[in-house]
Amino acid sequence: QQQVKQSPQSLIVQKGGISIINCAYENTAFDYFPWYQQFPGKGPALLIAIRPDVSEKKEGRFTISFNKSAKQFSLHIMDSQPGDSATYFCAAAREGGGADGLTFGKGTHLIIQP
Amino acid sequence: NAGVTQTPKFRVLKTGQSMTLLCAQDMNHEYMYWYRQDPGMGLRLIHYSVGEGTTAKGEVPDGYNVSRLKKQNFLLGLESAAPSQTSVYFCASSWTALNQPQHFGDGTRLSIL
Repeated sequence: QQQVKQSPQSLIVQKGGISIINCAYENTAFDYFPWYQQFPGKGPALLIAIRPDVSEKKEGRFTISFNKSAKQFSLHIMDSQPGDSATYFCAAAREGGGADGLTFGKGTHLIIQP
Repeated sequence: NAGVTQTPKFRVLKTGQSMTLLCAQDMNHEYMYWYRQDPGMGLRLIHYSVGEGTTAKGEVPDGYNVSRLKKQNFLLGLESAAPSQTSVYFCASSWTALNQPQHFGDGTRLSIL
């Protein structure tokens, strides 16, 4: 059973455009939603994270939008740059629960064309 | 500051062979995790540890064993490797489950022939 569904699987955006990646979760016990960025040959690295007490969080060009009632959250990358080309993973965890790690989406391969 | 270091970076095994993957972290983190990453599957949790001397099963634990004899090290063992275990393995660590994020190593690419 896939608890975090991520779409699209791949995405091509022109330089300067907005990249949007969506995730939906099933487990209402999840209360921590991070996004990880992974470059080829490297491990994932935390990009930005949100908790369900806020509907939006912005850090530079990266914004998470969170809709608790719809059990959905999304990553927006404004003014997308070629250096943003990477694989992005959404994830969810029960921060107040056990130490059983993160449940990841299947990833989105993002390509920013110059 | 090295963060999370995984060794080896690459390995090719024959079916039935055994090996141990080593993860070392220098951040004094309590929690450590082993994930596997397969194309189109994202990352799946194999085993985790909430402290020295403790381990627990994750989502896909079959065929793997782990040990956390020292706080800074988390070992992942394959007793009898199978082709289905061909994957990229990532180790991660965090202060506690209540204080994400997790810090990842750069992975071990393992092929089982």
